[in-house]
Amino acid sequence: DQQVKQNSPSLSVQEGRISILNCDYTNSMFDYFLWYKKYPAEGPTFLISISSIKDKNEDGRFTVFLNKSAKHLSLHIVPSQPGDSAVYFCAAGWGGADGLTFGKGTHLIIQP
Amino acid sequence: DAGVTQSPTHLIKTRGQQVTLRCSPKSGHDTVSWYQQALGQGPQFIFQYYEEEERQRGNFPDRFSGHQFPNYSSELNVNALLLGDSALYLCASGQGNSGANVLTFGAGSRLTVL
Repeated sequence: DQQVKQNSPSLSVQEGRISILNCDYTNSMFDYFLWYKKYPAEGPTFLISISSIKDKNEDGRFTVFLNKSAKHLSLHIVPSQPGDSAVYFCAAGWGGADGLTFGKGTHLIIQP
Repeated sequence: DAGVTQSPTHLIKTRGQQVTLRCSPKSGHDTVSWYQQALGQGPQFIFQYYEEEERQRGNFPDRFSGHQFPNYSSELNVNALLLGDSALYLCASGQGNSGANVLTFGAGSRLTVL
């Protein structure tokens, strides 16, 4: 049973436009969420996080939105740049657990 | 400042063999977590080590074991290898009791079981 779902395996966006990556979760215990970015042959790198007490967190071109009632979060990247092409993982955790639960990832491709 | 380093980067084993993977955490970090990433999947939590003890474990059999040393480095051991153990094994380090929050990952060790 997948507790964190990323239903789009890939997404293609034109350079300069907005990229929106989506993530759904089922476990109500999760109280914080993170996005990681992964380039080939490298480990995932932390991008941005959000606590369940917030509905939005912004860091430069990256904004994460959390809709707790819908158990849905999204990552917005604007404007999209060629270097943003990577696999993006949504992850969730809660205070009583040490391990993160990851989605399967979305491969974002930024077209020139 | 070196991040998380893992060795070896690639290795090939046969069914039934045993493997040991190694990880050095980022400087200043004291928790080490191990994740398994199968092809086309997201990383899956195996276990976390803090103060040289296994603190929490994911849904993995006892064939998967680990160790943390006084210098915070860690080893992941897998016994009686199965074909399904073929995956990228990621080590991640963090700080203190909130080790699950923002983790720094290594590039991984890719294990192929034939």
